Amino acid sequence: GAVVSQHPSRVICKSGTSVKIECRSLDFQATTMFWYRQFPKQSLMLMATSNEGSKATYEQGVEKDKFLINHASLTLSTLTVTSAHPEDSSFYICSARDSLEGEKLFFGSGTQLSVL
Amino acid sequence: AQSVSQHNHHVILSEAASLELGCNYSYGGTVNLFWYVQYPGQHLQLLLKYFSGDPLVKGIKGFEAEFIKSKFSFNLRKPSVQWSDTAEYFCSVKAGNQFYFGTGTSLTVIP
Repeated sequence: GAVVSQHPSRVICKSGTSVKIECRSLDFQATTMFWYRQFPKQSLMLMATSNEGSKATYEQGVEKDKFLINHASLTLSTLTVTSAHPEDSSFYICSARDSLEGEKLFFGSGTQLSVL
Repeated sequence: AQSVSQHNHHVILSEAASLELGCNYSYGGTVNLFWYVQYPGQHLQLLLKYFSGDPLVKGIKGFEAEFIKSKFSFNLRKPSVQWSDTAEYFCSVKAGNQFYFGTGTSLTVIP
């Protein structure tokens, strides 16, 4: 079945640095990818919808200048957390939609970001 | 490798029928378990979650799930489905520092 690879799985960084997270669809093309954030013991929260070749659509309350999304190819979307602060510490999860398989959604395994 | 299996890829039921969607995972340690729903044209919503305590978890919209540790299962149930339950359902397991999602079960409820 379709696989979505998300890297890194865990990152620890200093406050003020930027962190890039990659989301790749390994055996299908994904025109649409989604980025979520999960706080401890809470639900996934959709941050943005990433469309290949165009600007991402951000959900209300998500700072687009802080969470930069690039979807330059049909198999890769990246989320860059710029000038990270401790409050950005969280799990970040991506998903990708397989347009050739009935719009099915496949998920990455998540990235745990810890900002010191 | 860890995995989450949703055995039913597509389920079709008539209104008022009972629903059970299977979810099994392969991880021997402590897990957190979730069921999400995605209605047509909408984004994921959390139906219910299990972290600890009573293994029978009640969620929104009449859904419940039972964590059976010995079977590595977290099946989703609803006694009487409605047409509005037509959606995609995802089981998710947090094991260690990783999240694992099933491939989803598409539920179609016929009026």
